[in-house]
Amino acid sequence: EVQLVESGGGLAQPGRSLRLSCTASGFTFGDYAVSWVRQAPGKGLEWVGFIRSKAYTGTTDSAASVRGRFTISRDDSKSIAYLQMNSLKTEDTAVYYCTRGRRIKVAQEVMYYFDYWGQGTLVTVSS
Amino acid sequence: EIVMTQSPATLSVSPGERATLSCRASQSVSSNLAWLQQKPGQAPRLLIYGASTRATGIPARFSGSGSGTEFTLTISTLQSEDFAVYYCQQYNNWPPWTFGQGTRVEIK
Repeated sequence: EVQLVESGGGLAQPGRSLRLSCTASGFTFGDYAVSWVRQAPGKGLEWVGFIRSKAYTGTTDSAASVRGRFTISRDDSKSIAYLQMNSLKTEDTAVYYCTRGRRIKVAQEVMYYFDYWGQGTLVTVSS
Repeated sequence: EIVMTQSPATLSVSPGERATLSCRASQSVSSNLAWLQQKPGQAPRLLIYGASTRATGIPARFSGSGSGTEFTLTISTLQSEDFAVYYCQQYNNWPPWTFGQGTRVEIK
């Protein structure tokens, strides 16, 4: 059974840092991309960041709202993906979900959709 | 960035009835569209990808259609467990991946 379990959320003051972890099981973690998606209280879903599998460069992309502050990384030997969040702002308050990115090719174009989601971890940024 | 717009914001339906949800993209996303279901206090769950392919374990009462900029999610006979918020998401032009604002399906 595919499982993604986030951890590391909690209360942080503005300007401080937090690191979230996403621990995967039930599949070969290294074969898949990982994406982070967040949901502010009572709001919709917002994509935050993405990391490709090492077989496809292992490079990352980030949303404009977090670029330069948030960094994604992965440790395939531990089946864990990380979201390092620096210079936190009150508007970063949200539940953060990690998702598994499934790579497909459509007419020679590479796409990724998110087929499994973790249960989420709440990050609250407040003084 | 592709903007996804869902309608209606809230849909009131009686159990056993059909529900039809709409999603529009600001530019063509071909068939690279997914539908997600989110129940209160739970994570989103993938229902449909490729605009019309049901994900693993999703009941046949859920069906998706459309391509280009107009998409529909139909729940043929609403069950009690189907009352939730539904999101569409495009993965054709990325990054960023973008979501609609959601449609809440509530009990009439």
